[in-house]
Amino acid sequence: EVQLLQSGGGLVQPGASRRLSCAASGFTFSRNAMSWVRQTPGKGLEWVSSITAGGVDTYYADSVKGRFTISRDNSNNTLYLQMNSLRADDTAEYFCAKDGDHLWGSYDHWGRGSLVTVSS
Amino acid sequence: DIQMTQSPSSLSASVGDRVTVTCRASQTISNSLNWYQRKPGTAPKLLIYAASTLQNGVPSRFSGSGYGTNFALTITSLRPEDFATYYCQQSFSKPPWTFGQGTKVEI
Repeated sequence: EVQLLQSGGGLVQPGASRRLSCAASGFTFSRNAMSWVRQTPGKGLEWVSSITAGGVDTYYADSVKGRFTISRDNSNNTLYLQMNSLRADDTAEYFCAKDGDHLWGSYDHWGRGSLVTVSS
Repeated sequence: DIQMTQSPSSLSASVGDRVTVTCRASQTISNSLNWYQRKPGTAPKLLIYAASTLQNGVPSRFSGSGYGTNFALTITSLRPEDFATYYCQQSFSKPPWTFGQGTKVEI
């Protein structure tokens, strides 16, 4: 059974940093691209960042480019999102998501979400 | 970036109804269109990928159609557990991927 266990959410001050983690199990982690998607309060889903299976290529939404860094440790089956210079509008529930095997960018499994609240 | 426009933003329906949600892309995306269902307190669930392929385990009352810029999600014979918010998402070529704004299906 595929599982994506998230950790790292919480209350952070504006300008601070936080790292989210997503521990994967139940599939061959190194074979799938992975992504982070967020949902802000009262709004819809927003793609944040993606990383290819080998970790060579990374992609970011304009809203987080230069502040967030996605990475992965294929030896420990873990995905990360390092978030720096956090702003109030980064407040959201963050999901890690596993790419399906059939269409890049279609997410067949999701973590349960990590709430990040940016506030002083 | 490719913009995705869903309609309607919300709809009222009854158990047993046929429901259709539409999604339009700002440029052609071939069949690189996915549909998700989100219920409060749970993670999104993939229903359909590649515009019309049903994800494993998804009931056959869900179907997807479309190609290019116009797409639709149809639920035949709505069940109580189908009341949720539905999102389309394009995954054409390479990121950035974009989601529609969502359609809330309520009683």
